[in-house]
Amino acid sequence: DAGVTQSPTHLIKTRGQQVTLRCSPKSGHDTVSWYQQALGQGPQFIFQYYEEEERQRGNFPDRFSGHQFPNYSSELNVNALLLGDSALYLCASSFPLSGGPQETQYFGPGTRLLVL
Amino acid sequence: AQTVTQSQPEMSVQEAETVTLSCTYDTSENNYYLFWYKQPPSRQMILVIRQEAYKQQNATENRFSVNFQKAAKSFSLKISDSQLGDTAMYFCAFIENYQLIWGAGTKLIIKP
Repeated sequence: DAGVTQSPTHLIKTRGQQVTLRCSPKSGHDTVSWYQQALGQGPQFIFQYYEEEERQRGNFPDRFSGHQFPNYSSELNVNALLLGDSALYLCASSFPLSGGPQETQYFGPGTRLLVL
Repeated sequence: AQTVTQSQPEMSVQEAETVTLSCTYDTSENNYYLFWYKQPPSRQMILVIRQEAYKQQNATENRFSVNFQKAAKSFSLKISDSQLGDTAMYFCAFIENYQLIWGAGTKLIIKP
């Protein structure tokens, strides 16, 4: 039973460039969430995808966009990179529990993005 | 605004000792889920334990247990018989509107 996978593991970009990060959810999961974790801080929610639609979004600018494919995998795209976008990007997958929105999220190993 | 407070930035204990990490949170919801995750130096965020707010019984997972006080909005994690592999950042979180709301974390060091 494969867990959540993310690619690449590390990435170096320069300011103004664009980046795409990829995530495959845990087998049997249909929901993917993305988080940004700056060094020494807790993660911050970017958005969640369910049924190929963005279901919820955190306080991130439109430079951050995403996509979910029919096989439930997901991409996070960041345009016009800023130095402050340097962080660990975590992908989490989950499945909806019956009767409510609460769900346990299982995380991938993350992608470390460095913007120079 | 929803918040999670972890008041202990760093803790260290000897191997085999018991340690308790504290967490308080604020939410207007009545039904929600609370979590403790650990993040070792390898960076992978690993689920430690989960508590459903409508259950009065405290959750346990082997050496890990919680003390959930709903009225006080407190959710502490107890690690018994601590092991070197427990060294990690520990994050408290709750879920609301599909997103996890996180604390700043407690760095736990287990000394041999």
